Amino acid sequence: AQSVTQPDIHITVSEGASLELRCNYSYGATPYLFWYVQSPGQGLQLLLKYFSGDTLVQGIKGFEAEFKRSQSSFNLRKPSVHWSDAAEYFCAVGPLEGGGADGLTFGKGTHLIIQP
Amino acid sequence: GAVVSQHPSRVICKSGTSVKIECRSLDFQATTMFWYRQFPKQSLMLMATSNEGSKATYEQGVEKDKFLINHASLTLSTLTVTSAHPEDSSFYICSAETTASYEQYFGPGTRLTVT
Repeated sequence: AQSVTQPDIHITVSEGASLELRCNYSYGATPYLFWYVQSPGQGLQLLLKYFSGDTLVQGIKGFEAEFKRSQSSFNLRKPSVHWSDAAEYFCAVGPLEGGGADGLTFGKGTHLIIQP
Repeated sequence: GAVVSQHPSRVICKSGTSVKIECRSLDFQATTMFWYRQFPKQSLMLMATSNEGSKATYEQGVEKDKFLINHASLTLSTLTVTSAHPEDSSFYICSAETTASYEQYFGPGTRLTVT
């Protein structure tokens, strides 16, 4: 069965520093990959997605992610974080294998803390 | 565009009662909607896939008689938690998918507390 692993439960980064959030997946075919951000009281917002093509994907709010098939990874990066980036970040893979449905499988999330 | 709303945002109910949660796509038509459940400090777990005009498809381990899903129109899906128990307390999130793109738009979630 497909799975998503986000090895870091919490990450603390100083404002202005660079950021990398790790995501590894297990999937039998070419996956669709997503990064979402969840702020308190708000719904999940899509940061970026990979379906095919260029393996370096640009997203909103200055985020980017790189799909590395050989490493089964889709790490999220940002060159300089802002205090407003503090939130919960989820990596997800879809669609569901074998079922034909488009539901997503999510990682457990990484809680990003920004230090002033 | 692509806004999904949920109502209510928070609900507290007594054990044994039923609660209905609405999920609406406000500015687009959603042929497919999804219901997820999120436990504190946990990931989102897909509960069911809802297609307009047909029966929902439930994930393994999700009781279809307990979590009733109705997708009556292209903009509305409802989740009814029947005979709720304290262990049903959770954060329920819906998402909607357009026919134009393989992308899900998420609602803000509903916090259910069963006392």
